[in-house]
Amino acid sequence: GQNIDQPTEMTATEGAIVQINCTYQTSGFNGLFWYQQHAGEAPTFLSYNVLDGLEEKGRFSSFLSRSKGYSYLLLKELQMKDSASYLCAVRDSRGSQGNLIFGKGTKLSVKP
Amino acid sequence: KAGVTQTPRYLIKTRGQQVTLSCSPISGHRSVSWYQQTPGQGLQFLFEYFSETQRNKGNFPGRFSGRQFSNSRSEMNVSTLELGDSALYLCASSLEVGAKRNEQFFGPGTRLTVL
Repeated sequence: GQNIDQPTEMTATEGAIVQINCTYQTSGFNGLFWYQQHAGEAPTFLSYNVLDGLEEKGRFSSFLSRSKGYSYLLLKELQMKDSASYLCAVRDSRGSQGNLIFGKGTKLSVKP
Repeated sequence: KAGVTQTPRYLIKTRGQQVTLSCSPISGHRSVSWYQQTPGQGLQFLFEYFSETQRNKGNFPGRFSGRQFSNSRSEMNVSTLELGDSALYLCASSLEVGAKRNEQFFGPGTRLTVL
């Protein structure tokens, strides 16, 4: 079966670092995506990993370990505007290239 | 460059009715995917279209259907609406099917409420 797990909620302080974990079990694998979704808005793309290792993009970094079925999103120097839901999604290589399997999202609250 | 647009943004229907939602992808994008988002289930894949052909379908009943036109615009239809169909319906477009990296750009969604 297809399963993607991530924590439901997390809280962090402005200026701190937070790591959001994602574990997955899918019948195939062709890339892992992280999306940010503010309340009432559409998801926006943050990062993409298909090979093991760390991808860094400004304050955001994403890590992938395919052997462990594990990824994390690291947010540094947290700002209040980072309060949002963070969605982990896997492209199942058996499916269409356009199909993503999403986790239920992690709601991050950044406090002053 | 305009983003993905969806119409209408909000819709209220009653049980048993049918509804049609529309999505216009980013210019040049030929792949359109539809997702249903609910608080309990999160984002779930409905179907994907490329060049007017359905490429893949998620685990939804036959009441959910869609199509894509020659200009890549897509519509999805839900017949015999049920209360559980109340959700945010998101459309996403991408540039090329088959590429390793295939970022999907999401539209703002259509909020459907079934009474």
